[in-house]
Amino acid sequence: AQKVTQAQTEISVVEKEDVTLDCVYETRDTTYYLFWYKQPPSGELVFLIRRNSFDEQNEISGRYSWNFQKSTSSFNFTITASQVVDSAVYFCALSGRADLGGAQKLVFGQGTRLTINP
Amino acid sequence: DAGVTQSPTHLIKTRGQQVTLRCSPKSGHDTVSWYQQALGQGPQFIFQYYEEEERQRGNFPDRFSGHQFPNYSSELNVNALLLGDSALYLCASSLGITGRVSYEQYFGPGTRLTVT
Repeated sequence: AQKVTQAQTEISVVEKEDVTLDCVYETRDTTYYLFWYKQPPSGELVFLIRRNSFDEQNEISGRYSWNFQKSTSSFNFTITASQVVDSAVYFCALSGRADLGGAQKLVFGQGTRLTINP
Repeated sequence: DAGVTQSPTHLIKTRGQQVTLRCSPKSGHDTVSWYQQALGQGPQFIFQYYEEEERQRGNFPDRFSGHQFPNYSSELNVNALLLGDSALYLCASSLGITGRVSYEQYFGPGTRLTVT
């Protein structure tokens, strides 16, 4: 069975601080995909990034960066120089490979509520 | 480029009633997945439709059913509503053609269902 754990329920920091959101996953699949989504108060889940299990290269996109380590089954998300607009609930998710048409289901963690205070 | 749309935005129903939620996928997408998100929880997968067939199903009772139309839009039906069905229902679309699967799923704004 697949499982995603986000141990940090809530994080609160002051604007301009760096913050890291932790994600640990469990899967028996050899090919799998990891995701981060942002859910602002409006409720719509916004796709941020996808990583493939066979590509452990870290990625940076502006103030966002992701650290994928298969050895520890972790896929952590860092926001550098946080801003008030970063306040949201962030979800880490996992899916397997789709072999027969249709994408695989997403298995989500419980989410981390991030509050950036001015 | 039209994103995923859902209707209605909010809905209030009474226990025992039936409800139908609707979803139109992002332009160019052919696969629709439905998720239930209870307050303070992560989304839980209900089922997925591709080529007008239910391809995968999560751990939800038969009271939850769906349909996909030839234009790829989808409906989620819930019968005999329970108080515990109160949640945000999210629709997500993706591209599911074998060999061209896009693993990213793009979500709509959701339908907030309240059962009283």
